[in-house]
Parts: sequence; structure tokens; C-alpha cells
Amino acid sequence: EPEVTQTPSHQVTQMGQEVILRCVPISNHLYFYWYRQILGQKVEFLVSFYNNEISEKSEIFDDQFSVERPDGSNFTLKIRSTKLEDSAMYFCASKALRGSGGSTDTQYFGPGTRLTVL
Amino acid sequence: AQTVTQSQPEMSVQEAETVTLSCTYDTSESNYYLFWYKQPPSRQMILVIRQEAYKQQNATENRFSVNFQKAAKSFSLKISDSQLGDTAMYFCAFSRANNLFFGTGTRLTVIP
Repeated sequence: EPEVTQTPSHQVTQMGQEVILRCVPISNHLYFYWYRQILGQKVEFLVSFYNNEISEKSEIFDDQFSVERPDGSNFTLKIRSTKLEDSAMYFCASKALRGSGGSTDTQYFGPGTRLTVL
Repeated sequence: AQTVTQSQPEMSVQEAETVTLSCTYDTSESNYYLFWYKQPPSRQMILVIRQEAYKQQNATENRFSVNFQKAAKSFSLKISDSQLGDTAMYFCAFSRANNLFFGTGTRLTVIP
């Protein structure tokens, strides 16, 4: 069964450093998402991406964040200058385009990347 | 704005028994989707069940079923014949066209 993959599983960085979190969505999916979950809290939407552009973003997704689909398979989240409060689990998710089969309105999540900012 | 409320922070159930997790939501949309996701200690988000708001029939998926009350904006999850592997955080989520809105979760412990 196809699945979303994310690398690395755990990233430790120093405050102020740049990090790039990587995701490989399910191959026939065309909507991509990033979510964040601070330890002990609920999952929060960051950004959605479709047709090579951001379709929606939350207040959390400020100028320190950016997303990119550099090739046909990867979807990345970059944090330019990490802060202590960026420490969280980051989930990538993908969703099929209607008409391409599967549960088109269901987002499938990757296993997450745990980001620790020291 | 969409909000999702899970009023039970923690619940426990004896193995093989049935448990119901509650969820309410608030929206002005007429067409939307509701989901229950499971998050075990590994912290991966696993889809348990989904419900389309325009369908009156409650969704079922093996031991998992929902009680969807659209007028009351309620979407509870029933787990029958609970198993030790069901121990996890359970998140209710609402989706309109695009992103998901999550509740704060219910931590379920299945007691052997």
C-alpha cells in the first residue's frame, strides 16, 4: 500500500540555523500539506500546496517558513532561522485529486519528523 | 471559523469492551468531511474512519463505527471489542475544501 514518507525522523538543530524537512507524498496525489504538533498539543495546519503554489496557509506560517516541490516526488518545508518554539513534530500529508481514484478527500499522513531546536 | 471540541482528555476501557469517544464541531458549511485519526506512541497519524457530511449513513470500518448527528454537529467514535493495540491518542478532525482542523485529542488506554 502506498504511503507518505518523511526524512529525517529526528532533526536536532541549533537556534538560528536553517532546517529542511523532506517528504515524499503518495505518487498519484496532487495536494500536499504540512502540519505541526507541539508536544502535548493538538495538530495544527501550516500550509497547503497545489499546482506548484501555496493554496492556503495559517498564521503560524510566517516569513520564516517556505515550501517547495523541487522535483516530481519531493515536497519540502524550510525553516530559515529556527527558534526554540519551532520544536515540534512536523507532519506531511497528501491527498488525491478528485477523479484519480482512492478516497479523494482524505489526507494521508507521513510518520512525522521530530524537530528539536536547542 | 471551524472549531472541533473533544471534551474527554482521557478515557480507559477494559479489553474486549466497547468505548465511545465524543467529538463536536462548529461550522457554517453544509458539505464537509469528518475524520478520526489515531496516534499511537510512535506519534504517527493513522486514519481510522471518515464520514462525508452529505451521507446520512454512519460510517463503519471493522470494529470502528461513528454516530454522526449532523443537526447536533456531533461525531462520536465507537470502538467495539477493544484491543490493547487500540491504546493511543484519538483526534477528531474536520475538513472543508482543504486543510484539516483537529480537536485536542482523547487519550485512550485499553486495560488488559
